[in-house]
Amino acid sequence: QSALTQPRSLSGSPGQSVTISCTGSSNDVGGYNSVSWYQHHPGEAPTLIIYDVTKRPSGVPDRFSGSKSGNTASLTISGLQAADEADYYCCSYAGTYTPYVFGSGTEVTVL
Amino acid sequence: EVQLVQSGGEVKKPGESLKISCKGSGYSFNNYWFGWVRQVPGKGLEWMGIFNPVNSDTRYSPSFEGHVTMSVDRSTYTAYLQWSSLTPSDTAMYFCAIRPAVTASPFDFWGQGTLVTVSS
Repeated sequence: QSALTQPRSLSGSPGQSVTISCTGSSNDVGGYNSVSWYQHHPGEAPTLIIYDVTKRPSGVPDRFSGSKSGNTASLTISGLQAADEADYYCCSYAGTYTPYVFGSGTEVTVL
Repeated sequence: EVQLVQSGGEVKKPGESLKISCKGSGYSFNNYWFGWVRQVPGKGLEWMGIFNPVNSDTRYSPSFEGHVTMSVDRSTYTAYLQWSSLTPSDTAMYFCAIRPAVTASPFDFWGQGTLVTVSS
């Protein structure tokens, strides 16, 4: 079970948008509408920001949005803010016996 | 308020055993599965496994099966992750998390992490 592929790092200026890709296979990302995204500030607990590809938990700003096409899911952060500087991980359901696989993680830097 | 409070950091020698804990509160214990996630220093998150506290159904990642054991004490709402023989490659931060007892649900809430250091 290999990690889903994400870009290692992305950056943007305040107010800009960044899009993080998460590429898997038909056994995970492409096979289920169960992709979630987590924001992780080092030293803190990760937090869920997107689930079921496009849904936002209560309290998550609508600047965060998710999508999927084929075996690739994406997280877009619009209107970048300094507080968005963090590591971002996708996670996909991958079936009954090994249910989850995380992405390799993307470090987002706000310039 | 949902809380997952993990036990404190540990420093162990290779070959030693270890059991770390994650105590849940503020939610219905039977309606959530526990999960464990590893983060090796400087690396990303790795899913280790999930555990159903109602019937002890456990699913391990192939990368961890046979090397760790997950369990739950239902009387105290506490999940455990244990090793019988640690190796230096087990040095990592370990997070517990919970997900609703619905297939394919995401991990809604996370603990603060337990840092395990294995060194001779």
